[in-house]
Amino acid sequence: AQTVTQSQPEMSVQEAETVTLSCTYDTSESDYYLFWYKQPPSRQMILVIRQEAYKQQNATENRFSVNFQKAAKSFSLKISDSQLGDAAMYFCAYRSLDTFQGAQKLVFGQGTRLTINP
Amino acid sequence: NAGVMQNPRHLVRRRGQEARLRCSPMKGHSHVYWYRQLPEEGLKFMVYLQKENIIDESGMPKERFSAEFPKEGPSILRIQQVVRGDSAAYFCASSPGFGVYGYTFGSGTRLTVV
Repeated sequence: AQTVTQSQPEMSVQEAETVTLSCTYDTSESDYYLFWYKQPPSRQMILVIRQEAYKQQNATENRFSVNFQKAAKSFSLKISDSQLGDAAMYFCAYRSLDTFQGAQKLVFGQGTRLTINP
Repeated sequence: NAGVMQNPRHLVRRRGQEARLRCSPMKGHSHVYWYRQLPEEGLKFMVYLQKENIIDESGMPKERFSAEFPKEGPSILRIQQVVRGDSAAYFCASSPGFGVYGYTFGSGTRLTVV
């Protein structure tokens, strides 16, 4: 079974600075998806960024980018120019690319609480 | 163009009562997933349903929990004889099919058992 580990329960950063959140995962599969979700106090789960494992290029979405190291099974999230609205819980998640029905679920890490200091 | 709608947003039940959580998927989505989030933890998969079918219930507790997604109406997650350990946020997500890109979450229902 796949597992996802986020080793940083809490992180803080000064507004406008850059912060990197870590995520490692364990899988025997070669093709899969990886995600970062943001959960603000409203509890809404918001997709931040997605990476397909078969793509070598790291995904980027505006101020958010990932460092995907497939061999190391590492998937970190970098937030540039941090803003107060970035404060939230951040969850790393894994999903198999397999099409069998049991593979449809997301496997989440424990989360990292990010605080932005003004 | 409403997203995934969950209700109620908050639900308080006494020990031994039944809890019913509702999820209306996005328009055009026929696949529903339920997840549970215990305090200060990540989301854990519970069950995956299509209309009138349970596809994967590998994350559901063996007793007291059930889920359905009828041909008409919302998906229901039902917890019978609730205990304090059932207190959690329950999230529903929907997708149009096996693809990933339409995987959209609702805002969750926070269940408190007193």
